[in-house]
Amino acid sequence: DGGITQSPKYLFRKEGQNVTLSCEQNLNHDAMYWYRQDPGQGLRLIYYSQIVNDFQKGDIAEGYSVSREKKESFPLTVTSAQKNPTAFYLCASSPGWGDATYEQYFGPGTRLTVT
Amino acid sequence: GQNIDQPTEMTATEGAIVQINCTYQTSGFNGLFWYQQHAGEAPTFLSYNVLDGLEEKGRFSSFLSRSKGYSYLLLKELQMKDSASYLCAVRSSSGGSYIPTFGRGTSLIVHP
Repeated sequence: DGGITQSPKYLFRKEGQNVTLSCEQNLNHDAMYWYRQDPGQGLRLIYYSQIVNDFQKGDIAEGYSVSREKKESFPLTVTSAQKNPTAFYLCASSPGWGDATYEQYFGPGTRLTVT
Repeated sequence: GQNIDQPTEMTATEGAIVQINCTYQTSGFNGLFWYQQHAGEAPTFLSYNVLDGLEEKGRFSSFLSRSKGYSYLLLKELQMKDSASYLCAVRSSSGGSYIPTFGRGTSLIVHP
């Protein structure tokens, strides 16, 4: 059963701690993405990767870091430098990137709360 | 950059038809996507338009006018389960990244 998984669904951390959000896909997709969703803000792009061992900053990359060592995995680290880390984080993948349809498939999301 | 505008909230009656509009300004337009997102869940893909005209898929249709920077999602025979947020996303080839930018979404409330 192919899909994209994120864990955990809910995550609680103290201010000042780094935290890593997991994202795994078995769809054999080349491209992967991380978005942040806040109420009334829509989805904002944090980082994306179009190929293994390469990734690019999105619109709001400050305070976040990623790695893409394997095609199926794209973990996101929320560092203590991120000013407002409490949010709903969505990981997505797409078969490729470019002119074709290449719709995105989203994971179930991780709701991070930092106090 | 890109500017995408959708109404924040709409309400409609079960069994009716509703049209959700999306206007955008972008350079290098390369396609427009519609996604559905139920509260607390992942967005799911509904439709894709890259050429002008109407794409029909069951109860859902999506229309695009590139010259007007305008799209709409049409939902027919509304059901209670259609209560969700509908996200418009515009892809641009500018810069070579082909990454979609999402609007803020339209929250649709369907009542009996």
